[in-house]
Amino acid sequence: TQLLEQSPQFLSIQEGENLTVYCNSSSVFSSLQWYRQEPGEGPVLLVTVVTGGEVKKLKRLTFQFGDARKDSSLHITAAQPGDTGLYLCAGAGEDYKLSFGAGTTVTVRA
Amino acid sequence: NAGVTQTPKFRILKIGQSMTLQCTQDMNHNYMYWYRQDPGMGLKLIYYSVGAGITDKGEVPNGYNVSRSTTEDFPLRLELAAPSQTSVYFCASSYLRQGVDNEQFFGPGTRLTVL
Repeated sequence: TQLLEQSPQFLSIQEGENLTVYCNSSSVFSSLQWYRQEPGEGPVLLVTVVTGGEVKKLKRLTFQFGDARKDSSLHITAAQPGDTGLYLCAGAGEDYKLSFGAGTTVTVRA
Repeated sequence: NAGVTQTPKFRILKIGQSMTLQCTQDMNHNYMYWYRQDPGMGLKLIYYSVGAGITDKGEVPNGYNVSRSTTEDFPLRLELAAPSQTSVYFCASSYLRQGVDNEQFFGPGTRLTVL
């Protein structure tokens, strides 16, 4: 099992502020996914990054895959209360199974 | 299109009891997975299946069993429930392999408490 560490564990910010969540590992991944999970529901895929150095933007969310394919970050610009949730990163290694990080709980206060 | 459905939503078991968590998907996905999610621990893979009749162990298979007789259904069986199996269980499916730019669809989860 490849260990993925997410930081911070908890993040509480005011509406309109920016935030960054990190996902780090000592292992190389063939791809990395970010999911968001709301209370009482299953995770929902936000993005998959595949190439080292890749940057993907989805509206106010920016995802980056490290050059060495060992780490990733999620940046949210001008956060809104609807961004509140648990953000999980998951990496795919040599086999095709995913390893999940423990998650970052983001709370955006109105 | 219902996606991935799981039943029951909640369950309380006594130590030593057995139960089956049901999972059904209507997307004709080949790959199906069972995860457990504990507070602060992320998702751990219990079992997975790459198609009907084929199952394999994940990271934490002890105390669980699965079967895959059809493409749609992937039930998870707990034979002798233990307090350590108190968790939220998620079933997921995907068309191709995990990762590799392939989306995994999750059910709403089953919250299980073993007392």
